[in-house]
Amino acid sequence: GNSVTQMEGPVTLSEEAFLTINCTYTATGYPSLFWYVQYPGEGLQLLLKATKADDKGSNKGFEATYRKETTSFHLEKGSVQVSDSAVYFCALIDAGQGGKLIFGQGTELSVKP
Amino acid sequence: DVKVTQSSRYLVKRTGEKVFLECVQDMDHENMFWYRQDPGLGLRLIYFSYDVKMKEKGDIPEGYSVSREKKERFSLILESASTNQTSMYLCASREGLAKNIQYFGAGTRLSVL
Repeated sequence: GNSVTQMEGPVTLSEEAFLTINCTYTATGYPSLFWYVQYPGEGLQLLLKATKADDKGSNKGFEATYRKETTSFHLEKGSVQVSDSAVYFCALIDAGQGGKLIFGQGTELSVKP
Repeated sequence: DVKVTQSSRYLVKRTGEKVFLECVQDMDHENMFWYRQDPGLGLRLIYFSYDVKMKEKGDIPEGYSVSREKKERFSLILESASTNQTSMYLCASREGLAKNIQYFGAGTRLSVL
């Protein structure tokens, strides 16, 4: 079945460091891919998405490119801030199962001043 | 903005109690979802609903049931709560099957003692 695998956390960085959170997926067909973010004490918010190969999603300085050849959707940010501390979830949409989202296990990011 | 409201942020219940978790969305969305979030496991789908009075099992429906009598409200029911149902529960809504963005509530952290 379809699945999403993320790099394990927690990830701890200093402010202004470069961030990469790896995400790979297994799926039949070409699903849409998402990054959701969960700030402390809150629900999930959509951060960015990509719907087809080579699409780049971007928002709030974060970027991710849909790579079909490596089945990856890695999240990157050039300079993180303390306010980026959160849990990040990679997900794909499974059109064959009512369009449900399949999530990775989440990666906790902590940014220190 | 879409608003998904979960009735309680924190709940403490005893083993064997019947528990109701309520979720309301204000955007006339057709689809609603209940997820469970556990550390290291990401989000797992419990049940979803395409429309009023319709429901489908997700990946982990055992021990849960749902009710959708009105379009805006989707309830998750634990018929007889057990300690292994201690978790964070997240509700989400989506405009329709052709729309692939889900909007999440803030979550209910349930402790079963």
